[in-house]
Amino acid sequence: YVLTQPPSVSVAPGETARIPCGGKNIGIKSVHWFQQKPGHVPVLVIYYDNNRPSGIPDRFSGSSSEHAATLTISRVEAGDEADYYCQVWDSDTNHRLFGGGTKVTVL
Amino acid sequence: EVQLLESGGTLVQPGGSLRLSCVASGFTLSSFGMSWVRQAPGKGPEWVSGISGRGDEIYYADSVKGRFTISRDTSKNTLSLQMNSLRAEDTAVYYCAKDPILRFGDDAPGVWGKGTTVTVSS
Repeated sequence: YVLTQPPSVSVAPGETARIPCGGKNIGIKSVHWFQQKPGHVPVLVIYYDNNRPSGIPDRFSGSSSEHAATLTISRVEAGDEADYYCQVWDSDTNHRLFGGGTKVTVL
Repeated sequence: EVQLLESGGTLVQPGGSLRLSCVASGFTLSSFGMSWVRQAPGKGPEWVSGISGRGDEIYYADSVKGRFTISRDTSKNTLSLQMNSLRAEDTAVYYCAKDPILRFGDDAPGVWGKGTTVTVSS
């Protein structure tokens, strides 16, 4: 099973960034999202498609359809500049999988 | 406070062995699923292995199956990763991470350690 993410997304401050994560029938899987800033440990920002851990701003949201999950960052700030990774569980192989990551650049 | 502290990373020659440890504090290891995740320089995270809180579910990525072994010492609240037959492509920062529930599977680790660096090179 393969998760596909665009290598990069650029967005102006205050605008909305949308980061897709594609995979076959991903809509029936639970998708989780991590943010990783340079030199830092990955941080969970969305779990089970659209849930935010405590401390994550409500500007972060998630959604999912049949073939793609999307992480949306509203009212983007300079501090949101980071790499973002989606993650799923493949029940056919009992493996956790990460997408290749998307670098979000705030213009 | 829930914390994870990895250790054991170092420079090792190809074909060598290494044992990583992750000491858990603030929670009981046997109550939560745990995993090892690695990140090679300039690359994204790669899941390596996972174990349920009871230890009855153990899974490995294809890239390490047969070479790596995950285990727990509940008396020391410590998670371990025994790595044998190491290859250059195993070079990475290795993180241990905590799941929110007992089972290991369809969840996301919300707590990560700071990682320990393994370099496989001659």
